[in-house]
Amino acid sequence: SQQGEEDPQALSIQEGENATMNCSYKTSINNLQWYRQNSGRGLVHLILIRSNEREKHSGRLRVTLDTSKKSSSLLITASRAADTASYFCATVDYSGAGSYQLTFGKGTKLSVIP
Amino acid sequence: ETGVTQTPRHLVMGMTNKKSLKCEQHLGHNAMYWYKQSAKKPLELMFVYSLEERVENNSVPSRFSPECPNSSHLFLHLHTLQPEDSALYLCASSQGLGLAGDPYNEQFFGPGTRLTVL
Repeated sequence: SQQGEEDPQALSIQEGENATMNCSYKTSINNLQWYRQNSGRGLVHLILIRSNEREKHSGRLRVTLDTSKKSSSLLITASRAADTASYFCATVDYSGAGSYQLTFGKGTKLSVIP
Repeated sequence: ETGVTQTPRHLVMGMTNKKSLKCEQHLGHNAMYWYKQSAKKPLELMFVYSLEERVENNSVPSRFSPECPNSSHLFLHLHTLQPEDSALYLCASSQGLGLAGDPYNEQFFGPGTRLTVL
């Protein structure tokens, strides 16, 4: 069943502006990850935040996690045209037999206009 | 993208054809995955292999048949597919499956095979 659900589905901004994407999920998680996908390509891991963390930074990326609201946000500051891509959140939860499963949302399509 | 490679990058096949997708990882990982990405749907996990053994099959129709001959290679054999099977098929690998209390295994994805079934 679908776990992460991103909001908005599509976002269009001007270069230099900040982009904020949100992700909500339903069940408890071990960690939450954000991935980026350029059109028709594979996914690239951006950042991981553990369930006991509230905020994490990596370069121009800032991720927050609110486990009480079961939500996360990804902020990209000072956006560039090269940031144009789809962004997915993926929750990691225990799937039994000692293994963990990534469950992806549908993604947010970000367009950064030069 | 040199860590995980997939061939072919594009494939068009008829419903009666038999074809195979190939994935190779050069990262020394022990786990490999097949995902299906259709338009406007979340990424769907199809199969998981750990040390060449299938550990998960997410109710995938038998017209998709995976094969993992060694920890570096993963195949997806396709037979009598339907037009709704058209999608981007992504392969991924990770160090492990999160055993021994370590769930933080980052997955590395290949570029995908764009499959069109006519």
